[in-house]
Amino acid sequence: AAGVIQSPRHLIKEKRETATLKCYPIPRHDTVYWYQQGPGQDPQFLISFYEKMQSDKGSIPDRFSAQQFSDYHSELNMSSLELGDSALYFCASTTLDASTDTQYFGPGTRLTVL
Amino acid sequence: AQSVSQHNHHVILSEAASLELGCNYSYGGTVNLFWYVQYPGQHLQLLLKYFSGDPLVKGIKGFEAEFIKSKFSFNLRKPSVQWSDTAEYFCAVNGAVGGTSYGKLTFGQGTILTVHP
Repeated sequence: AAGVIQSPRHLIKEKRETATLKCYPIPRHDTVYWYQQGPGQDPQFLISFYEKMQSDKGSIPDRFSAQQFSDYHSELNMSSLELGDSALYFCASTTLDASTDTQYFGPGTRLTVL
Repeated sequence: AQSVSQHNHHVILSEAASLELGCNYSYGGTVNLFWYVQYPGQHLQLLLKYFSGDPLVKGIKGFEAEFIKSKFSFNLRKPSVQWSDTAEYFCAVNGAVGGTSYGKLTFGQGTILTVHP
């Protein structure tokens, strides 16, 4: 079965640079969630989208923005990168057409800020 | 606000030992409960989930969990662990926010399970 695809898998950036992370949900999934997992920490919710509209927002810095496109893929844009942004960024997809809401996670993008 | 608490940060077992990982949650409404496993360097994989019905749910790889509503608990169990079960285990919850949308997951702190051969 098709899974959630994230690209790139690894990304190394310098401080103050920008980064764009991409997420391609499972086909026919209309909802995407972004999570950030710092070293040794549990995943923390950043932002979510349903049908191309932002549906919820968590502890996402103002330096970050995200959107969901017409094909339901989503991009997380990160500017003025800081050392503390180094983390594993997961996206998860689901569909609200199902009677329940199970989120399936992608492999993650490991961002290292030097 | 939702919160999830996992009792043990690190559990060390020998193969064939029984496993129980504790998870308690705090939420005032209808919740869905999940256990995810994260093998070293890999992404989160769904082990099992509870939405409604039989409070004892069975998942993949011989894992099961029991939802005890009165205790706000959703403990994960496995009768006999294997070396390949070495991983980090996360309990997670999301709650109904209206309609069929249950929203973001709130994770516990994770429990690292080390199984010695």
